[in-house]
Amino acid sequence: TQLLEQSPQFLSIQEGENLTVYCNSSSVFSSLQWYRQEPGEGPVLLVTVVTGGEVKKLKRLTFQFGDARKDSSLHITAAQPGDTGLYLCAGGGGGFKTIFGAGTRLFVKA
Amino acid sequence: EPEVTQTPSHQVTQMGQEVILRCVPISNHLYFYWYRQILGQKVEFLVSFYNNEISEKSEIFDDQFSVERPDGSNFTLKIRSTKLEDSAMYFCASSEAPVGVLGPLHFGNGTRLTVT
Repeated sequence: TQLLEQSPQFLSIQEGENLTVYCNSSSVFSSLQWYRQEPGEGPVLLVTVVTGGEVKKLKRLTFQFGDARKDSSLHITAAQPGDTGLYLCAGGGGGFKTIFGAGTRLFVKA
Repeated sequence: EPEVTQTPSHQVTQMGQEVILRCVPISNHLYFYWYRQILGQKVEFLVSFYNNEISEKSEIFDDQFSVERPDGSNFTLKIRSTKLEDSAMYFCASSEAPVGVLGPLHFGNGTRLTVT
């Protein structure tokens, strides 16, 4: 069974700080996605990483896919209160399904 | 930007009753999905639907559940006889291609189902 473990589960930081959240698995994934979920809404796709070692940037967010395609990280530079939310990593579970990690709940204090 | 829409946003029902959750996927998407998220837990796959048939389903998707695409735009999830443990947020999603590089999921805002 493929599992995605995310850490930390919860992170509370001050505005302006940097942070990194992790997504790990013992399985190889052909691609991983990062989603952000606000309360009462569905997950919204941030990025898809495909190639081992790949780095993608989305403004202050940097996503990296591990060389072995078993893990990924999300780094946020100079976090802002608007970054507050639940960050989910997800990957193909074989066939048509996507499996999700439990998420990292980020709270950025002004 | 096109979006997935779900109705109702909140449904309260009594145990044993049938409910139908409705979704309008993005119009040019071909793959449709239902996921659920029990409060405080992971987003879990229920079922995928392609070419007017179920392409994959999870162990959660037992005989109490069914899906249908009754016309060219709607995609529904029916729970025949709801149980307390069916209380969750149900998300509809669609994608242009099978999940992966070309087929990221586009989610609706969910229906919160409360079974009393």
